[in-house]
Amino acid sequence: RKEVEQDPGPFNVPEGATVAFNCTYSNSASQSFFWYRQDCRKEPKLLMSVYSSGNEDGRFTAQLNRASQYISLLIRDSKLSDSATYLCVVNARFQKLVFGTGTRLLVSP
Amino acid sequence: EAQVTQNPRYLITVTGKKLTVTCSQNMNHEYMSWYRQDPGLGLRQIYYSMNVEVTDKGDVPEGYKVSRKEKRNFPLILESPSPNQTSLYFCASSFRGTGAYEQYFGPGTRLTVT
Repeated sequence: RKEVEQDPGPFNVPEGATVAFNCTYSNSASQSFFWYRQDCRKEPKLLMSVYSSGNEDGRFTAQLNRASQYISLLIRDSKLSDSATYLCVVNARFQKLVFGTGTRLLVSP
Repeated sequence: EAQVTQNPRYLITVTGKKLTVTCSQNMNHEYMSWYRQDPGLGLRQIYYSMNVEVTDKGDVPEGYKVSRKEKRNFPLILESPSPNQTSLYFCASSFRGTGAYEQYFGPGTRLTVT
């Protein structure tokens, strides 16, 4: 089983739609969770950290479910500029981040 | 401007010809890391460094070397490149290495080994 698993997509949605991605992780001792965004083979950039209580940043909401070992990212009112690959990242072991392979989102007019 | 720089951005080379990819950060970060990204495999860590003169292997260290003589620089060395090292390489840095801090990535180096 992969340490971090994501549905590769692509998720094709129209502008204005709400879309959600899930990511599962295997190490129950993981402490830190993040969503990174990567545009077309450019460098990944932090989108948001994921806190136990859940957190929201504008149109983006991240949730953590420790019991089921998954994190989620919800994007409301999708924009064309949201088209990218979203990487789930977990601090699975001390000093080490494990990256998922990413979920590709395509937002169309 | 806070940034991580890598050079070269693109490199085509032949099997066995030693090469170095440089990485430099201007944020005084302690932790630096090298990743490779391949289709379907995601980002995999090659080596990381907790601080000057402190380096350790990541998940895929074979065929690579690193050094950390200065805090700002973390070069990646391929002593004898092979075609299976054709990949997109990213250098990253962060304030600390606990995994709880944002990683800042360089723009990437696309390497082709023929």
